[in-house]
Amino acid sequence: DAKTTQPPSMDCAEGRAANLPCNHSTISGNEYVYWYRQIHSQGPQYIIHGLKNNETNEMASLIITEDRKSSTLILPHATLRDTAVYYCIVWAPNAGKSTFGDGTTLTVKP
Amino acid sequence: GAVVSQHPSRVICKSGTSVKIECRSLDFQATTMFWYRQFPKQSLMLMATSNEGSKATYEQGVEKDKFLINHASLTLSTLTVTSAHPEDSSFYICSAQDRTNTGELFFGEGSRLTVL
Repeated sequence: DAKTTQPPSMDCAEGRAANLPCNHSTISGNEYVYWYRQIHSQGPQYIIHGLKNNETNEMASLIITEDRKSSTLILPHATLRDTAVYYCIVWAPNAGKSTFGDGTTLTVKP
Repeated sequence: GAVVSQHPSRVICKSGTSVKIECRSLDFQATTMFWYRQFPKQSLMLMATSNEGSKATYEQGVEKDKFLINHASLTLSTLTVTSAHPEDSSFYICSAQDRTNTGELFFGEGSRLTVL
C-alpha cells in the first residue's frame, strides 16, 4: 500500500546532476515527503525531507511541486558512490509507520 | 547524526534453531522501532512496529509466534526468529524513531540470516 511511484531505474553520468522523480498524487496535507537511499547490503540512509517548500542540505536538494503531488530529488554532482536504490516515502506525524515502495535504482556511470 | 547499531551483521544457523537479532539506539531514546525483511532485489517489507514497553504490532501475514519482538527499553529492541527454516533466510533491518517524532528513521546496518 505504498503511496509513492518511482521509475524502477535510472542512469546518470558521473559529475552530472541526477534528478530522481517521485509521484505522490494522493498525499495528504500533513504528510511529509522523505527520501532515503540504500547501498547494496546496507541499511537505508536518510537523505532529506520536506513538507511544502523546497529543501537543500549537504547531500541533495528536494523540489516539491506546488500541488505537492510529485517531487524530485536532485543530487547535484553524482559520484560513483551515489549508486544505490533511492526510496521516496510519505509520512504523517500521526501515522506511525512508513511503507517503502520499490524505489529507483540509480546507477552512476564513469 | 543518530546511530542505530544492529547485531549480528551475519548469522548462519541450522534449521530448527532460534536466532536473536538486536537493534540498539546508541545516542538517543527510541520510542518506536520498526523491523523489516528484505529479499534480494526487493524493497523493504515492514514486519512489525515495536513500542517500548508494549506488545509489537505485526503487519498482516507476519507470524507473531515465529518472529518474536521485544522492546524492553528505550534503546533496545530484539527480533527472535524461532525454529528457523531455510525460507526464513533473508536480510533483516531495524529502524528507530526518536522522541521528537519528526518522522526521520534511523536504520541499523542490517542482519543477514542464512538458515541451513
